[in-house]
Amino acid sequence: EVQLVESGGTWVQPGRSLRLSCAASGFTFDDYAMHWVRQAPGKGLEWVSGINWNSASTAYADSVKGRFTSSRDNAKHSLSLQMNSLRPEDTALYYCAKDLAPTGEGGFDVWGQGTMVTVSS
Amino acid sequence: SLELTQPPSVSVSPGQTASITCSGPGLGARYASWYQQKPGQSPVLVIYRDDKRPSGIPERFSGSSSGNTATLTISGTQAMDEADYYCQVWASSTYVFGAGTKVTVL
Repeated sequence: EVQLVESGGTWVQPGRSLRLSCAASGFTFDDYAMHWVRQAPGKGLEWVSGINWNSASTAYADSVKGRFTSSRDNAKHSLSLQMNSLRPEDTALYYCAKDLAPTGEGGFDVWGQGTMVTVSS
Repeated sequence: SLELTQPPSVSVSPGQTASITCSGPGLGARYASWYQQKPGQSPVLVIYRDDKRPSGIPERFSGSSSGNTATLTISGTQAMDEADYYCQVWASSTYVFGAGTKVTVL
């Protein structure tokens, strides 16, 4: 079964750091780009970051650029998102998603259930 | 950065056709994808690369693109199609989502 399982979400104070993880199974992980997408409570989807199949290329939304870093470990079939200098507006459900293509442009055909990050004092 | 415009809501009677548009500058030069999201659930890809349907997605879902507008069409809409729908495009090495359209089946 193709599956993505996110973890690491929790409550954190503004300015602190947090690391999210995504465990992939059921497909050839290193054949595809991977992404993080978030959804604030009651709001729409926002793409956060993407990383291509071999980590040679990463991209970020302007809202997180310079604060968040995506990485992947193909040997462990895992994706990570390091989030620094967190702000209240980063509060959201964070989804891990698989791209249809190795370098992006494919659309996201597999999504995890999400992990909730709450940034508040 | 690129902004995609979707109607906030669309209402449709069961069995009728619902059309959801997604507009943005230069959209015609980019592939659009569409996602369905029901309350409390993760998004589901229903259309990719403008008009391709993933396996398992009913044939009543179709996509098209012309000029600066991409369109998701649901033919013979069913009650189970009531959901939020988001368009998405790849632009300058980043992805952009539209704000979403709530489809209500009356």
